[in-house]
Amino acid sequence: QVKLQQSGAELVKPGASVKLSCKTSGYTFSTSYMSWFKQIPGQSIEWIGMIYAGDGGTGYNQKFKGKATLTVDTSSSTAYMDLSSLTTEDSAVYFCARDDRRWFAYWGQGTLVTVSS
Amino acid sequence: DVVLTQTPPTLSATIGQSVSISCRSSQSLLDSDGDTYLNWLLQRPGQSPQLLIYSVSNLESGVPNRFSGSGSETDFTLKISGVEAEDLGVYYCMQATHAPWTFGGGTKLELK
Repeated sequence: QVKLQQSGAELVKPGASVKLSCKTSGYTFSTSYMSWFKQIPGQSIEWIGMIYAGDGGTGYNQKFKGKATLTVDTSSSTAYMDLSSLTTEDSAVYFCARDDRRWFAYWGQGTLVTVSS
Repeated sequence: DVVLTQTPPTLSATIGQSVSISCRSSQSLLDSDGDTYLNWLLQRPGQSPQLLIYSVSNLESGVPNRFSGSGSETDFTLKISGVEAEDLGVYYCMQATHAPWTFGGGTKLELK
């Protein structure tokens, strides 16, 4: 069955960077799309961007350009998201979700990122 | 960006009651390819979102048929015909017609 397993919680200092992972199984990763989302606890959800695993092509929400960088490793069927120059406003839960023609049936369990000195 | 306005923000229901959630878009969600990319998701406490309905009215595999979606252009509705305890949580509409994809503010379904 389809699984998306995200990396564990991160506690990082302001100004630092962090790389989150989303390891997939149960489907053909190399011809699929993956989207990433941000959710501050108690708030709604924001779409960060998407990546096509076939060629690494990306599309970003303008709000997250320069903040998030999406990459993939097809050899390990894993998607990654780098978050840079972290501030307290980046503290949130981040989800990956398989993007199937713009609907999202499969989600990772989420990674909590806490930015604090 | 497209703004999705969900009402009500909170919904109190008894088990077995039928309820509806509205989602209004700031612009038409009819895509040039003829599809309307309006999805409904449920997020139970402490869990990831779960897809219920895609493209306005298509029930995702494994989702009970007490859930149904309808609407067009800018006005959409999610109906639950007979709430069950497992339905409690926050419901979100989400559009993927106009980039960036955006979500409504959510509707929290609680037990009365």
